[in-house]
Amino acid sequence: DTQMTQSPSSLSASAGDRVTITCRASRFIGSYVNWYQQRPGRAPRLLIYAATSRQSGVPSRFSGSSSGTEFTLTIGSLQPEDFATYYCQQSYSTPQTFGQGTKLEMK
Amino acid sequence: EVQLLESGGGLVQPGGSLRLSCAASGITFSNYAMAWVRQAPGKGLEWISLISGGGAGTYYADSVEDRFTISRDNSKNLLYLHMNSLRVEDTAVYYCAKTTGDYDTSGLYDAFDIWGQGTLVTVSS
Repeated sequence: DTQMTQSPSSLSASAGDRVTITCRASRFIGSYVNWYQQRPGRAPRLLIYAATSRQSGVPSRFSGSSSGTEFTLTIGSLQPEDFATYYCQQSYSTPQTFGQGTKLEMK
Repeated sequence: EVQLLESGGGLVQPGGSLRLSCAASGITFSNYAMAWVRQAPGKGLEWISLISGGGAGTYYADSVEDRFTISRDNSKNLLYLHMNSLRVEDTAVYYCAKTTGDYDTSGLYDAFDIWGQGTLVTVSS
């Protein structure tokens, strides 16, 4: 199975900060990485698919990038509603796998 | 508007069985592969199963292989998860999710763009 190692597991930041979350895949997965946001008690929401494509309706402050087997989600200027948990997912091979999650908390 | 609505969760004893359903609306259901993803209390997301648009292709996580069966009824816009030999560690909120269908109806490579609200399964004696 392909492991997705996500870091950091938690992150404290302030509104207006720029933050970066990283996922490293244990093997080649092309660009088949997706990023989700999950607020407490809610279902996940798709933010980025295919490593760099922003889902319709997602603010432009969210962006994705990749380099080999390392994938990054960047939030350009944190807004209050962005404090949530973020997950990466590889959809290159089954079983598809998620990263462990990054909890973004307000400093 | 695309909507997914899960049902069928509840309390079951270890070794028991349960069937979850997911009703889809607002889409041509057979055009999209569908998946089940679960989340144990206080834990992260776990992909557990995927089924192609036509139903012929099915895929499972190792943790549920041989115990869970995914299926769909495209005439009724329904997705199912049949769960047997349930274990305490299967306790979780179970979400159904729709794939984006960007490539084909296999569901491979796709992200999940629409999620249901989740249904809680509790396995306990």
